[in-house]
Parts: sequence; C-alpha cells; structure tokens
Amino acid sequence: QSVLTQPASVSGSPGQSITISCTGTSSDVGGYNYVSWYQQYPGKAPKLMIYDVSNRPSGVSNRFSGSKSGNTASLTISGLQAEDEADYYCSSYTSSPVVFGGGTKLTVL
Amino acid sequence: QMQLVQSGAEVKKPGASVKVSCKASGYTFTSYYMNWVRQAPGQGLEWMGIIHPIGGSTSYAQKFQGRVTMTRDTSTSTVYMELSSLRSEDTAVYYCARGYSSTWPDLYYFDYWGQGTLVTVSS
Repeated sequence: QSVLTQPASVSGSPGQSITISCTGTSSDVGGYNYVSWYQQYPGKAPKLMIYDVSNRPSGVSNRFSGSKSGNTASLTISGLQAEDEADYYCSSYTSSPVVFGGGTKLTVL
Repeated sequence: QMQLVQSGAEVKKPGASVKVSCKASGYTFTSYYMNWVRQAPGQGLEWMGIIHPIGGSTSYAQKFQGRVTMTRDTSTSTVYMELSSLRSEDTAVYYCARGYSSTWPDLYYFDYWGQGTLVTVSS
C-alpha cells in the first residue's frame, strides 16, 4: 500500500486537459515543496516530468504543469496527445526520506 | 550525455543473493547521491536506499535493513546494490536513480534513471 494516494486511472480525449491528484499528509506533501512527478511507459524507466511541485526539467513540454494545495498535489496535462498515454507517479520528500504514490494509468481515448 | 547503465537480468533461487551494478557517465560522479528504487510486476515504485558517492555513507529503507548493501567504486563511477536472503516477493525491476537534494540524506527528486534490471526469484 502506497503512502501517497493517486487515482488508479484517468482518461481524456486528444486536445483535452486532465488532472491527476496525489494526496498525502502534512508530513509529506503538505509539509514541503518537494513534490515530483514521473512518467513511465510500459517496460521503460520512469522519467522526471515535474520537480519541486511546479518546475519542469529542460526538455519537458510546457503542456505539463504541477501545483499543490494543502496535502494534495496535482499534475495537469493540457492539450492531451496520444503519446501522453502512460503511467504517472507522484513522489514527495519526507523523513523517510521519500514516498511514492501508487501510480495512475492515463488513457488517451 | 548523462547515462546510467545497469547490469543484465538475473535469475536467483530463494535464499540466494543478487548484486546489481549501475555505471554512471556524463556527469561528475561524486556530485550526486545515487539511489535504488524497485518495481514489482504491475506494481508501483519503492525506494530502497541511497548512497553518498564520496564517503560511501548509506541510508536504507527500514524494510530492507539487514538485507541490502549499497557500495560504490569511484574509480569506475559505478554503484552496486546487493540484496540477500531473496524471496519470491523480491522479484522486481531494480532501478538506480540519481537523486537531488541540498543536504544528506535528504532526497527531493530523481532526475535520471537507469534502464532497470529484472531480478527474478524462483525455485
């Protein structure tokens, strides 16, 4: 059982926007601005998409954005494309020192 | 070009040990902590531990304390993860992942990942 809670699946049509939530506690998501998001294709390694809640690494499309409110962080993908279909994981700094969400499967209809 | 290249797949019997390597290139090896993260089939990501590249200090997840050993060789920019007393539940893909933070042993995010090494534990 993962420490951070994500929806198991989300879906959207090309061109639409979707949001994936990641809910933790004041000991992780709510307590620090160190939430990160990873994209993973089947059989591939995860790829960093967002770090420090809302920062994008170089090379990541600006269609990906992150935010946080209280104990819940969110990843928003705008202008959905077929290539966005993948699993997405959130992660947060904590005393452990890091915890992950259970992952969300994004389906592009 | 930044790369983390891991050793190949392994098949082990229950009770045995496995040692996976991760060779880093394209950056200053001693400037970043290295982590190991595993993913069981169809499951999520699980952090196992972190190693400091300079002194070799380690910090392990409580779940793996006593069974995991992480080491590094600065001369070859390679880190190793050895897991002992293997059981079927250890069947997973094991990733090395470069970690970023400002202080040891904090961990803010993983910016580069190896390609993964499948370890299968089966009698």
